[in-house]
Amino acid sequence: QVQLVESGGGVVQPGRSLRLSCAASGFTFSSYDMHWVRQAPGKGLEWVAVISYDGSNKHYADSVKGRFTISRDNSKNSVYLQMNSLRSEDTALYYCSKVGQFGENWLDPWGQGTLVTVSS
Amino acid sequence: SFVLTQPPSVSVAPGKTARITCGGDNIGTKSVHWYQQKPGQAPVLVTYYDSARPSGIPERFSGSNSGNTATLTISRVEAGDEADYYCQLWDGSGDRVVFGGGTKLTVL
Repeated sequence: QVQLVESGGGVVQPGRSLRLSCAASGFTFSSYDMHWVRQAPGKGLEWVAVISYDGSNKHYADSVKGRFTISRDNSKNSVYLQMNSLRSEDTALYYCSKVGQFGENWLDPWGQGTLVTVSS
Repeated sequence: SFVLTQPPSVSVAPGKTARITCGGDNIGTKSVHWYQQKPGQAPVLVTYYDSARPSGIPERFSGSNSGNTATLTISRVEAGDEADYYCQLWDGSGDRVVFGGGTKLTVL
């Protein structure tokens, strides 16, 4: 079955960097756009970024544009989120998800998330 | 930028029908998707393309979308339906995913 496993979270000081990874299995990874979505403690869902199936198109939320970079390696069935210049407001559980169908934009399924805490 | 507005909370008695709304400017012209998130768990897709249901989602969950409001309807509500529910769409003008603020469904 489809499985998405995030890793790379942790505690990091403001201004520092962190790289999240999401390992995918159970589907043809190279055929699907992939998203990162985050959820601050006790808050709602906030979309972060999307990368197209072939890596040619990327889009970001205004709140992370210029600081975060999404990438993928289809040979490794993995998607990444490079997070630079981290701020306290970036503290959240970060989920990766695949689109439900090629070319569509609903997200199914989601991983269990990796927690990022930005604190001095 | 597109904004989706959901009521913070909805309460319903077991066996009754819950309706969770998602408001947005001419949202009826877009495809809306809904997610259920139980405490400590990742979100789960419950409807997509306004009213389609993924495999494994009970028929009690249905969606509609018209005008300025999309609605997730849960019939014959059960205690296990208690969760946060989020609507979502793709804002093509901004090339971004938009989520509503979420609605906490309480089963009385």
